[in-house]
Amino acid sequence: GNSVTQMEGPVTLSEEAFLTINCTYTATGYPSLFWYVQYPGEGLQLLLKATKADDKGSNKGFEATYRKETTSFHLEKGSVQVSDSAVYFCALRVGFGNEKLTFGTGTRLTIIP
Amino acid sequence: NAGVTQTPKFRILKIGQSMTLQCTQDMNHNYMYWYRQDPGMGLKLIYYSVGAGITDKGEVPNGYNVSRSTTEDFPLRLELAAPSQTSVYFCASTPRLAGSFGYNEQFFGPGTRLTVL
Repeated sequence: GNSVTQMEGPVTLSEEAFLTINCTYTATGYPSLFWYVQYPGEGLQLLLKATKADDKGSNKGFEATYRKETTSFHLEKGSVQVSDSAVYFCALRVGFGNEKLTFGTGTRLTIIP
Repeated sequence: NAGVTQTPKFRILKIGQSMTLQCTQDMNHNYMYWYRQDPGMGLKLIYYSVGAGITDKGEVPNGYNVSRSTTEDFPLRLELAAPSQTSVYFCASTPRLAGSFGYNEQFFGPGTRLTVL
């Protein structure tokens, strides 16, 4: 079956630190990969995506590269801000014609000024 | 556009009670979904719908029912609440299929926090 494994949280960093949140996946077929972010009190929203191997998704200073050889999609940001404090979910979708997502457990990130 | 709205925001139920979680979207999206999010766990799909009059089960449908009589609304019904249904419930929607390598973002509501005691 399909599954997503995310780095255990919570993660606490100082402002301007470098961020990596690890995500690996298992999938039958050819997955598309996503990072969703959930800010306090809000629903999830799409942060970035990559639909095929070697694609790099980027948004708001965050990046993630679809690595088929290591089945990974790690989220990175060079210099985090307090406003990046949120829960981050890695997710995948397999195949065409299937809009259902499989989510990881989420990683809570707290940035300290 | 209001996007995806959910009511209520919070609810406490007693074991055996029933309730309906409301979800409405004003984006004319075909696909709608119900997820639950348990502490320390990822989101699990309960039910989904690909259009008015069509619904199907997700990973964890037991104890829930849905209907989709209009494009806009996708209510989730709990008939006999149990403590195992204590969770945060999210509704989401997305437009029609985007094609082989396309992707239409899922738009989420703010969630309903349900506690069953």
